[in-house]
Amino acid sequence: DTAVSQTPKYLVTQMGNDKSIKCEQNLGHDTMYWYKQDSKKFLKIMFSYNNKELIINETVPNRFSPKSPDKAHLNLHINSLELGDSAVYFCASSQDGGQGSYGYTFGSGTRLTVV
Amino acid sequence: AQSVTQLDSHVSVSEGTPVLLRCNYSSSYSPSLFWYVQHPNKGLQLLLKYTSAATLVKGINGFEAEFKKSETSFHLTKPSAHMSDAAEYFCVVRLRSNTGKLIFGQGTTLQVKP
Repeated sequence: DTAVSQTPKYLVTQMGNDKSIKCEQNLGHDTMYWYKQDSKKFLKIMFSYNNKELIINETVPNRFSPKSPDKAHLNLHINSLELGDSAVYFCASSQDGGQGSYGYTFGSGTRLTVV
Repeated sequence: AQSVTQLDSHVSVSEGTPVLLRCNYSSSYSPSLFWYVQHPNKGLQLLLKYTSAATLVKGINGFEAEFKKSETSFHLTKPSAHMSDAAEYFCVVRLRSNTGKLIFGQGTTLQVKP
């Protein structure tokens, strides 16, 4: 059983399109996150949801909109895709609601290429 | 502000020799620190974590890390490198706030030569 699963694994799309990445966790965690890994492999948080409530919203263009229909799912929708959006996007979840001293469980990533 | 600095962007070792990946942190309180590994085209896997218990932390695959408050360091070591250890390694600090945000270091690429 995959703990944190993301779909699709690869996504190639043209500039200006709108696309979504889905994430689901079956760990019973109450906090989920989206991280972006750039071409230099640097990872930075984008969003975090705790029990469907947005708790982290970093400086991200408003073309990016996360949606959490329930605490097991956190989807990322991107409007009007730009070349600079090309990156690997990682979903993650945490069992402690964002508090305490535990690590995250990460998905395997979605490699987005905008052409 | 909390941050982590990985002192080497690239480390190359021969198979069977020790591995040392260096990490320094900056935090105004006792931090929670982690090492994650990312194999090529794969996700992130937790190697080990420090959460203010024992300062020497043992992780998976023979890796260890020692928390040294006086040096603000959390270096990752392994006595004998294996070819399968070749990967990207990230030192990470977790902010003690309601958000529990993770701050990643820049990463260290470990190359293992036969």
